[in-house]
Amino acid sequence: NAGVTQTPKFRVLKTGQSMTLLCAQDMNHEYMYWYRQDPGMGLRLIHYSVGEGTTAKGEVPDGYNVSRLKKQNFLLGLESAAPSQTSVYFCASSYPPRAGSTEAFFGQGTRLTVV
Amino acid sequence: GDSVTQMEGPVTLSEEACLTINCTYTATGYPSLFWYVQYPGEGLQLLLKATKADDKGSNKGFEATYRKETTSFHLEKGSVQVSDSAVYFCALSLPTSGTYKYIFGTGTRLKVLA
Repeated sequence: NAGVTQTPKFRVLKTGQSMTLLCAQDMNHEYMYWYRQDPGMGLRLIHYSVGEGTTAKGEVPDGYNVSRLKKQNFLLGLESAAPSQTSVYFCASSYPPRAGSTEAFFGQGTRLTVV
Repeated sequence: GDSVTQMEGPVTLSEEACLTINCTYTATGYPSLFWYVQYPGEGLQLLLKATKADDKGSNKGFEATYRKETTSFHLEKGSVQVSDSAVYFCALSLPTSGTYKYIFGTGTRLKVLA
Protein backbone atom coordinates (compact mmCIF):
# COMPACT_ATOMS: atom_id res chain seq x y z
CA ASN A 1 0.00 0.00 0.00
CA ALA A 2 1.81 3.11 -1.25
CA GLY A 3 -0.41 5.69 0.52
CA VAL A 4 0.23 9.19 -0.83
CA THR A 5 2.93 9.54 -3.48
CA GLN A 6 4.32 12.82 -4.76
CA THR A 7 6.43 13.41 -7.84
CA PRO A 8 8.96 14.83 -8.29
CA LYS A 9 10.81 14.86 -4.96
CA PHE A 10 13.14 17.70 -5.92
CA ARG A 11 13.06 20.38 -8.59
CA VAL A 12 14.91 23.57 -9.42
CA LEU A 13 13.13 26.10 -11.63
CA LYS A 14 14.14 29.39 -13.13
CA THR A 15 11.92 32.39 -12.49
CA GLY A 16 9.05 32.40 -14.97
CA GLN A 17 9.14 28.69 -15.75
CA SER A 18 6.13 26.49 -15.21
CA MET A 19 5.77 23.05 -13.71
CA THR A 20 3.22 20.59 -12.37
CA LEU A 21 3.47 18.60 -9.16
CA LEU A 22 1.62 15.31 -9.11
CA CYS A 23 0.00 13.72 -6.10
CA ALA A 24 -1.47 10.21 -6.21
CA GLN A 25 -3.25 8.35 -3.42
CA ASP A 26 -4.42 4.76 -3.36
CA MET A 27 -6.62 4.90 -0.24
CA ASN A 28 -9.80 5.92 -2.08
CA HIS A 29 -9.89 9.17 -0.11
CA GLU A 30 -12.36 11.79 -1.28
CA TYR A 31 -10.49 14.80 0.10
CA MET A 32 -7.09 15.92 -1.09
CA TYR A 33 -4.97 18.93 -0.14
CA TRP A 34 -1.86 20.81 -1.15
CA TYR A 35 0.20 22.53 1.56
CA ARG A 36 3.43 24.45 1.55
CA GLN A 37 5.87 24.31 4.43
CA ASP A 38 8.12 27.26 5.17
CA PRO A 39 10.49 27.69 8.13
CA GLY A 40 8.74 29.00 11.23
CA MET A 41 5.32 29.02 9.56
CA GLY A 42 4.09 25.47 9.84
CA LEU A 43 1.94 24.19 7.00
CA ARG A 44 -0.29 26.51 5.00
CA LEU A 45 -3.11 25.28 2.80
CA ILE A 46 -2.83 26.24 -0.87
CA HIS A 47 -5.81 24.47 -2.47
CA TYR A 48 -7.98 21.52 -1.68
CA SER A 49 -10.53 19.22 -3.28
CA VAL A 50 -13.53 17.46 -1.79
CA GLY A 51 -14.01 15.13 -4.71
CA GLU A 52 -13.29 14.36 -8.34
CA GLY A 53 -13.84 17.41 -10.50
CA THR A 54 -13.92 19.87 -7.57
CA THR A 55 -11.30 22.30 -6.28
CA ALA A 56 -11.29 25.18 -3.82
CA LYS A 57 -8.89 27.84 -2.60
CA GLY A 58 -7.10 27.57 0.68
CA GLU A 59 -5.15 30.07 2.70
CA VAL A 60 -2.43 30.94 0.14
CA PRO A 61 -3.74 30.16 -3.37
CA ASP A 62 -2.17 32.98 -5.40
CA GLY A 63 0.22 31.83 -8.11
CA TYR A 64 -1.03 28.24 -8.07
CA ASN A 65 -3.68 26.27 -9.91
CA VAL A 66 -4.97 22.76 -9.29
CA SER A 67 -6.96 20.06 -11.00
CA ARG A 68 -8.66 16.87 -9.83
CA LEU A 69 -9.64 15.02 -12.99
CA LYS A 70 -9.40 11.63 -11.30
CA LYS A 71 -10.27 10.78 -7.73
CA GLN A 72 -6.81 9.41 -7.00
CA ASN A 73 -4.81 12.33 -8.46
CA PHE A 74 -4.46 15.96 -7.46
CA LEU A 75 -2.20 18.19 -9.55
CA LEU A 76 -0.63 21.46 -8.42
CA GLY A 77 0.53 23.82 -11.15
CA LEU A 78 2.81 26.82 -11.09
CA GLU A 79 2.27 28.83 -14.28
CA SER A 80 5.09 31.33 -13.78
CA ALA A 81 7.37 30.42 -10.89
CA ALA A 82 8.65 33.11 -8.54
CA PRO A 83 11.41 32.93 -5.90
CA SER A 84 8.72 33.37 -3.22
CA GLN A 85 7.41 29.95 -4.22
CA THR A 86 10.60 28.27 -3.05
CA SER A 87 9.27 25.89 -0.44
CA VAL A 88 8.54 22.29 0.44
CA TYR A 89 5.18 21.18 -0.90
CA PHE A 90 3.12 18.46 0.74
CA CYS A 91 0.10 16.68 -0.59
CA ALA A 92 -2.36 15.08 1.81
CA SER A 93 -5.58 13.13 1.64
CA SER A 94 -8.34 12.17 4.03
CA TYR A 95 -11.77 10.68 4.37
CA PRO A 96 -14.76 13.02 4.65
CA PRO A 97 -16.20 13.84 8.09
CA ARG A 98 -19.05 11.34 7.76
CA ALA A 99 -16.53 8.47 7.64
CA GLY A 100 -15.58 9.12 11.26
CA SER A 101 -11.83 9.10 10.60
CA THR A 102 -10.35 12.54 10.75
CA GLU A 103 -6.61 12.33 10.21
CA ALA A 104 -4.85 13.42 7.06
CA PHE A 105 -2.23 11.24 5.36
CA PHE A 106 0.78 13.00 3.87
CA GLY A 107 3.13 12.42 1.00
CA GLN A 108 6.91 12.64 1.28
CA GLY A 109 7.08 16.19 0.02
CA THR A 110 8.54 18.02 -2.99
CA ARG A 111 11.39 20.43 -2.40
CA LEU A 112 11.11 23.22 -4.98
CA THR A 113 13.71 25.91 -5.46
CA VAL A 114 13.04 28.85 -7.77
CA VAL A 115 16.15 30.78 -8.79
CA GLY B 1 -10.06 32.39 14.53
CA ASP B 2 -9.01 28.80 14.96
CA SER B 3 -5.35 28.36 15.82
CA VAL B 4 -2.73 26.06 17.32
CA THR B 5 0.16 27.30 19.44
CA GLN B 6 3.06 25.06 20.35
CA MET B 7 6.27 25.73 22.18
CA GLU B 8 9.14 26.98 20.12
CA GLY B 9 12.21 24.90 19.73
CA PRO B 10 14.67 23.65 19.30
CA VAL B 11 14.47 21.35 22.29
CA THR B 12 17.70 19.53 23.07
CA LEU B 13 17.65 16.60 25.49
CA SER B 14 19.96 13.84 26.56
CA GLU B 15 18.95 10.26 25.86
CA GLU B 16 16.51 8.88 28.50
CA ALA B 17 15.38 12.36 29.54
CA CYS B 18 11.69 13.24 29.90
CA LEU B 19 10.01 15.18 27.13
CA THR B 20 7.09 17.58 27.19
CA ILE B 21 6.10 19.68 24.19
CA ASN B 22 3.29 22.06 24.99
CA CYS B 23 0.38 22.61 22.63
CA THR B 24 -2.70 24.75 23.13
CA TYR B 25 -5.49 25.46 20.71
CA THR B 26 -8.33 27.83 19.97
CA ALA B 27 -11.26 26.44 18.05
CA THR B 28 -14.94 26.96 17.48
CA GLY B 29 -16.67 23.65 17.89
CA TYR B 30 -15.12 20.35 18.88
CA PRO B 31 -11.91 19.60 17.05
CA SER B 32 -9.96 16.39 16.74
CA LEU B 33 -6.37 16.80 17.88
CA PHE B 34 -3.21 15.29 16.45
CA TRP B 35 0.51 15.09 16.83
CA TYR B 36 2.43 14.55 13.61
CA VAL B 37 6.15 13.79 13.43
CA GLN B 38 8.47 14.70 10.58
CA TYR B 39 11.81 12.92 10.40
CA PRO B 40 14.61 14.54 8.38
CA GLY B 41 13.85 14.53 4.66
CA GLU B 42 10.49 12.88 5.08
CA GLY B 43 6.81 13.82 5.12
CA LEU B 44 4.55 14.15 8.12
CA GLN B 45 3.50 10.94 9.84
CA LEU B 46 0.63 10.68 12.26
CA LEU B 47 2.05 9.97 15.72
CA LEU B 48 -1.13 9.96 17.78
CA LYS B 49 -4.59 11.45 17.90
CA ALA B 50 -7.55 12.13 20.18
CA THR B 51 -11.05 12.85 18.98
CA LYS B 52 -12.88 13.97 22.13
CA ALA B 53 -12.28 15.47 25.53
CA ASP B 54 -10.30 13.33 28.01
CA ASP B 55 -9.18 10.92 25.28
CA LYS B 56 -5.55 9.90 25.54
CA GLY B 57 -3.64 9.18 22.38
CA SER B 58 -0.52 7.04 22.61
CA ASN B 59 2.05 5.54 20.28
CA LYS B 60 5.74 4.57 20.45
CA GLY B 61 5.92 5.66 24.10
CA PHE B 62 4.47 9.10 23.38
CA GLU B 63 1.24 10.23 25.01
CA ALA B 64 -1.07 13.23 24.84
CA THR B 65 -4.38 13.88 26.59
CA TYR B 66 -7.16 16.03 25.13
CA ARG B 67 -7.85 18.61 27.85
CA LYS B 68 -10.91 20.61 26.95
CA GLU B 69 -10.85 22.71 30.13
CA THR B 70 -7.36 24.01 29.37
CA THR B 71 -7.63 23.64 25.55
CA SER B 72 -4.36 21.74 25.56
CA PHE B 73 -2.85 18.61 24.02
CA HIS B 74 0.68 18.39 25.40
CA LEU B 75 2.99 15.69 24.03
CA GLU B 76 4.94 13.66 26.61
CA LYS B 77 7.44 10.84 26.64
CA GLY B 78 9.11 9.44 29.71
CA SER B 79 12.43 8.47 28.14
CA VAL B 80 13.51 9.81 24.76
CA GLN B 81 15.88 8.09 22.36
CA VAL B 82 18.23 9.47 19.72
CA SER B 83 15.84 8.08 17.10
CA ASP B 84 13.12 10.45 18.39
CA SER B 85 15.01 13.41 16.94
CA ALA B 86 12.54 15.03 14.56
CA VAL B 87 10.13 17.94 14.18
CA TYR B 88 6.81 17.53 15.97
CA PHE B 89 3.64 19.28 14.81
CA CYS B 90 0.50 19.74 16.84
CA ALA B 91 -2.63 20.02 14.71
CA LEU B 92 -6.40 20.12 14.89
CA SER B 93 -9.13 19.30 12.44
CA LEU B 94 -12.63 20.69 12.26
CA PRO B 95 -15.36 19.83 9.79
CA THR B 96 -16.29 23.01 7.99
CA SER B 97 -18.28 23.86 4.85
CA GLY B 98 -18.31 20.30 3.61
CA THR B 99 -14.62 19.59 4.16
CA TYR B 100 -12.04 19.45 6.92
CA LYS B 101 -10.04 22.39 8.07
CA TYR B 102 -6.62 21.36 9.39
CA ILE B 103 -4.69 23.88 11.45
CA PHE B 104 -1.05 23.16 12.21
CA GLY B 105 1.29 24.60 14.76
CA THR B 106 4.68 25.88 13.63
CA GLY B 107 6.48 22.72 14.72
CA THR B 108 8.98 21.98 17.49
CA ARG B 109 12.35 20.54 16.60
CA LEU B 110 13.61 17.92 19.05
CA LYS B 111 17.25 16.88 19.16
CA VAL B 112 18.23 13.99 21.39
CA LEU B 113 21.90 13.56 22.21
CA ALA B 114 23.49 10.21 22.99
